[in-house]
Amino acid sequence: EDQVTQSPEALRLQEGESSSLNCSYTVSGLRGLFWYRQDPGKGPEFLFTLYSAGEEKEKERLKATLTKKESFLHITAPKPEDSATYLCAVQASSYKLIFGSGTRLLVRP
Amino acid sequence: SAVISQKPSRDICQRGTSLTIQCQVDSQVTMMFWYRQQPGQSLTLIATANQGSEATYESGFVIDKFPISRPNLTFSTLTVSNMSPEDSSIYLCSVAGTPGTSTDTQYFGPGTRLTVL
Repeated sequence: EDQVTQSPEALRLQEGESSSLNCSYTVSGLRGLFWYRQDPGKGPEFLFTLYSAGEEKEKERLKATLTKKESFLHITAPKPEDSATYLCAVQASSYKLIFGSGTRLLVRP
Repeated sequence: SAVISQKPSRDICQRGTSLTIQCQVDSQVTMMFWYRQQPGQSLTLIATANQGSEATYESGFVIDKFPISRPNLTFSTLTVSNMSPEDSSIYLCSVAGTPGTSTDTQYFGPGTRLTVL
């Protein structure tokens, strides 16, 4: 069964304190791995798509990487406005996205 | 990316009633989907809305409970029928295949927060 596990469940950082979020997955035939950001009361906002092991994508303070079993979302020198829930999802043979439970990130000034 | 709107943004409904949620996109899209996000949980796909034909439902979701329409390439509706408090969730539509983007990437609307009393 396709499955996505995210850790930690919650993360508190001081402004400027870099860290990484983990997304482990089990899927038969990975079509793509997706990272989204979700603010309270809003729909998920697309961040990155990764298709193959070794691929990396960057956007401002965020960098996503992919291996055959997991993905990391690295946050460099975070700011309070980076506080949100970060969701990881995998796409297998169909267009269906299977989401993890998310990591709630809080960045304190 | 496309601008996606949902109506209503939130509603409070009585048990046993039905609510229809609308999803409108400002450009033609290849695919539209409906997800549910229960309180404190992540997103679960309800169904793929197919233009001009019946929706494709995921395991655990049935047409009688969640009828879906997609009359054209920019609009879809999801009805939550005969509601119970367990249906209290955020309902989200997503789209893929907007002009200039891959059909793999899904973009989400703002969601409809439903509370059933």
